[in-house]
Amino acid sequence: AQKVTQAQTEISVVEKEDVTLDCVYETRDTTYYLFWYKQPPSGELVFLIRRNSFDEQNEISGRYSWNFQKSTSSFNFTITASQVVDSAVYFCALSEAGNTGKLIFGQGTTLQVKP
Amino acid sequence: DTGVSQNPRHKITKRGQNVTFRCDPISEHNRLYWYRQTLGQGPEFLTYFQNEAQLEKSRLLSDRFSAERPKGSFSTLEIQRTEQGDSAMYLCASSLSRQGLKNIQYFGAGTRLSVL
Repeated sequence: AQKVTQAQTEISVVEKEDVTLDCVYETRDTTYYLFWYKQPPSGELVFLIRRNSFDEQNEISGRYSWNFQKSTSSFNFTITASQVVDSAVYFCALSEAGNTGKLIFGQGTTLQVKP
Repeated sequence: DTGVSQNPRHKITKRGQNVTFRCDPISEHNRLYWYRQTLGQGPEFLTYFQNEAQLEKSRLLSDRFSAERPKGSFSTLEIQRTEQGDSAMYLCASSLSRQGLKNIQYFGAGTRLSVL
């Protein structure tokens, strides 16, 4: 069965600190996709990134970076020089590469960035 | 290009009443998903449409729940005889099934249901 675990329930940092959100997944599929979404207080899930299981290159987008390691089944997300606007709930998700594309979400990590 | 739109944003109802939510996906998206999110949890998959065909339903979707997408555009989710356990945020997402863009789901702001 597929499963996503985000062990950190809440993280609090001071602005400008770097912060890493952990994500560990389980799947028997050899082809799959991993995602990160951000959910601000307004409630709408905002897509951040998608990686497929064959692409283990790390990715950087501005202050955001992602570290995908198949050997440890992890897909961690780092925010560099955090800002108050980064405060939100962040979800890691997994989907099989087959037909439906349905997402299996972790429980989310609430990030609070204090000024 | 507008995003995914959900109405209403909030719904308060009494136990036993029926409720219906609407989702308007991004216009060219042929896939539409419904998820349910309870407090402190990640969204859980409920059901999925490709065009007008409902192709998968989760075991979470009891007989009191029904979803439709009659013309392959907007979708409705109806809950009959609501129970307090149905209180949750109901999220809709849409995506394209085109190579390279497949599986990137874009979400609406959700409908928050409170059953009293």
